[in-house]
Amino acid sequence: KAGVTQTPRYLIKTRGQQVTLSCSPISGHRSVSWYQQTPGQGLQFLFEYFSETQRNKGNFPGRFSGRQFSNSRSEMNVSTLELGDSALYLCASSLETSGLDNEQFFGPGTRLTVL
Amino acid sequence: AQKVTQAQTEISVVEKEDVTLDCVYETRDTTYYLFWYKQPPSGELVFLIRRNSFDEQNEISGRYSWNFQKSTSSFNFTITASQVVDSAVYFCALSVANAGNMLTFGGGTRLMVKP
Repeated sequence: KAGVTQTPRYLIKTRGQQVTLSCSPISGHRSVSWYQQTPGQGLQFLFEYFSETQRNKGNFPGRFSGRQFSNSRSEMNVSTLELGDSALYLCASSLETSGLDNEQFFGPGTRLTVL
Repeated sequence: AQKVTQAQTEISVVEKEDVTLDCVYETRDTTYYLFWYKQPPSGELVFLIRRNSFDEQNEISGRYSWNFQKSTSSFNFTITASQVVDSAVYFCALSVANAGNMLTFGGGTRLMVKP
């Protein structure tokens, strides 16, 4: 069974540009969550999508957005990039959006560098 | 709001030593889940364990063991007879029942096991 895949793995952008990151969950998983990891702020929750609907959102500006398609693949977009957006962006997938036995599996991440 | 604190930012041990990673959490929810993840240099978060708030039974899995104490809001992780391959950053995380899959992470503990 294939794991969570994220593309691209590395990305370099300049300030003011926008970027789209992609996440393909494990087959059959309907929930996709996104996290940002930086040395200063650590791991922070961005948002969660379940069955194409945003279920939860973290404390990030509106420049950060996402969506989920009918096949559960998800994309996140960051507009008007700032230097502080340089981070490792991690995607996690799970079967459901909650529950005692609901385990989240993480992808390898996309490392975004903003110059 | 939820909070997870990992007071140890970095620990260095010699191979075969036992090491305990501390985790203290804060939440007002009565139903919650606690997790430990391992992040090797490759960046991917590897799931180690999940505990729910109603199950205070300690768990042992090979060289790994976890001590969950609601009275002190702690969920500590012990590695027995550490090995060089255990070198990684370890994260403790918390989710609550009414917030989907949103994980609140601690700051992480970098464990270095020297030969």
